[in-house]
Amino acid sequence: NAGVTQTPKFQVLKTGQSMTLQCAQDMNHEYMSWYRQDPGMGLRLIHYSVGAGITDQGEVPNGYNVSRSTTEDFPLRLLSAAPSQTSVYFCASSYGGTTYNEQFFGPGTRLTVL
Amino acid sequence: KQEVTQIPAALSVPEGENLVLNCSFTDSAIYNLQWFRQDPGKGLTSLLLIQSSQREQTSGRLNASLDKSSGRSTLYIAASQPGDSATYLCAVRPYNNNDMRFGAGTRLTVKP
Repeated sequence: NAGVTQTPKFQVLKTGQSMTLQCAQDMNHEYMSWYRQDPGMGLRLIHYSVGAGITDQGEVPNGYNVSRSTTEDFPLRLLSAAPSQTSVYFCASSYGGTTYNEQFFGPGTRLTVL
Repeated sequence: KQEVTQIPAALSVPEGENLVLNCSFTDSAIYNLQWFRQDPGKGLTSLLLIQSSQREQTSGRLNASLDKSSGRSTLYIAASQPGDSATYLCAVRPYNNNDMRFGAGTRLTVKP
């Protein structure tokens, strides 16, 4: 199993550009989520999905869109990048879409918005 | 709103020492608590998951405890090694909420 994979590893954008961060998992996990990690602030939940076709907002959803057309993939779209979105982005997944299960994380995407 | 705090923010110890990392949370209504390790520039690696009905979990030299009523968890690392140097994060899963809450982490340095 590859686990949770994320692409790209690094990305530099100019303000106003759009892009999609890719996330995929091969563990047949129902629950997937996106976090951002900023210095001194821990991880904060952006969006999550409890299964294909179902998504919901987390703590910091503004400026981001998600969709879940398959169990395996959960892309995160930045609509119009802003410097405040400079961060490290992590995708995570777990079984069952319930709250009882261990979460597994991808290696992260380091995004800089100029 | 659930708040998770980890103190200290950084810790440096000599090799071989036993150490304790602390995690506190403000709302005891949680499903579970998970400890992670993060190496510089890397993702999070799950270390231990404690369900709300459990008091502790052990894996090798690691032991995590949970006191839900007092809103505290500790991660005990026995006989620390330089390879244990990393940032350790704790996170709680609140009831009826998919928003897993993270602490800011403790950066551990184990000196040879």
